[in-house]
Amino acid sequence: EVQLVQSGAEVKKPGESLRISCETSGYTFISYWISWVRQMPGKGLEWMGRIDPSDSYTNYSPSFQGHVTITADKSISTAYLQWSSLKASDTAMYYCTTGSGWFDSWGQGTLVTVSS
Amino acid sequence: EIVLTQSPDFQSVTPKEKVTITCRASQYIGSSLHWYQQKPDQSPKLLIKYASQSVSGVPSRFSGSGSGTDFTLTINSLEAEDAAAYYCHQSSSLPNTFGQGTKLQIK
Repeated sequence: EVQLVQSGAEVKKPGESLRISCETSGYTFISYWISWVRQMPGKGLEWMGRIDPSDSYTNYSPSFQGHVTITADKSISTAYLQWSSLKASDTAMYYCTTGSGWFDSWGQGTLVTVSS
Repeated sequence: EIVLTQSPDFQSVTPKEKVTITCRASQYIGSSLHWYQQKPDQSPKLLIKYASQSVSGVPSRFSGSGSGTDFTLTINSLEAEDAAAYYCHQSSSLPNTFGQGTKLQIK
């Protein structure tokens, strides 16, 4: 069974850094891209970017390029989403997801709250 | 960037009713269009892949159609458990994009 297990909720202050994780199991990690999806409170889904775990090649949405970094560690089948300087507008639920073009496996989500 | 526009944004429906949700792409995407269901406080769930391909474990009352720029998700004989938000997603080109969502309320 494919499983994506995300790290727990975070509460941070503006300007702080953060890295959240997505630990995978049940499939060959390097076989499928992993994407990150943002959902702001009460809003829809936004695709942020993706990583090819086999070589860590990344693509980003222009809306998120330069503000977040997606990485992966294939030795532990885990992907990461990180910020170097959080803003209040980063408050959202973040999902990792994977599949062959479509997204058929999703993490449970990580709630990030940024507040002074 | 390809923009996906869903309609309606919101619909209140009764059980056993047939529901149709449309998704229009701002440019040609072939069949690279997928549908998801998201219930409150849950992660999204894949319903239909590549416009019309069924997904294992998804009830047969869910079906999809379309190609090019116009797509439809149909729910036959709606059940109370189908109360959720529904999203289309295109994987034809980068960046991937989602529609704004359609919220279904059960009367």
